Amino acid sequence: AQSVTQLDSQVPVFEEAPVELRCNYSSSVSVYLFWYVQYPNQGLQLLLKYLSGSTLVKGINGFEAEFNKSQTSFHLRKPSVHISDTAEYFCAVSGQGGSEKLVFGKGTKLTVNP
Amino acid sequence: NAGVTQTPKFQVLKTGQSMTLQCAQDMNHEYMSWYRQDPGMGLRLIHYSVGAGITDQGEVPNGYNVSRSTTEDFPLRLLSAAPSQTSVYFCASSYLAGGFNEQFFGPGTRLTVL
Repeated sequence: AQSVTQLDSQVPVFEEAPVELRCNYSSSVSVYLFWYVQYPNQGLQLLLKYLSGSTLVKGINGFEAEFNKSQTSFHLRKPSVHISDTAEYFCAVSGQGGSEKLVFGKGTKLTVNP
Repeated sequence: NAGVTQTPKFQVLKTGQSMTLQCAQDMNHEYMSWYRQDPGMGLRLIHYSVGAGITDQGEVPNGYNVSRSTTEDFPLRLLSAAPSQTSVYFCASSYLAGGFNEQFFGPGTRLTVL
């Protein structure tokens, strides 16, 4: 089975500052990794995903994440955040099988202050 | 395309009442799932379906029933509501089962059980 740990429940930053949201996973098999974003009072939408290949993955809205197999991490980064990036961010993992289900972390609430 | 739609958006129930949360998708997706989101808990899988006529339990299935008679619809039934079922419920779908597939989420149903 897989599990995900998001190390920070809340991250406050100032506008135009860089941000890193941390995610570690645990799995006995190879994995797929995802970051989803949830804006206030909305459903989740995919930000980016790692399936295979390059360990640096670029997503929407200027976000990127790096898959580090040795450290079992998939941290999300953005070099300069905007007020509109205020949202909750969820890291998720799935094992590489035919019908593996998605397991979500508990979420990190990013608040961007002016 | 409307994507994934959920009704109602809000619902208040009394303990012991039953109700059905509706979910529909118009993307011809085979895989559909229900999650509940509770503060500090992330999303937890309740039930899922890999195609019409096929359903299975997720992480937290107790107190919920599902059926999948068509590809488009995947209703979630609360048999006898309890305060512990106060939560936000999300329906999601993806083209196929398998962890690599992007899941598309509905806007959610906010349920309060008194």
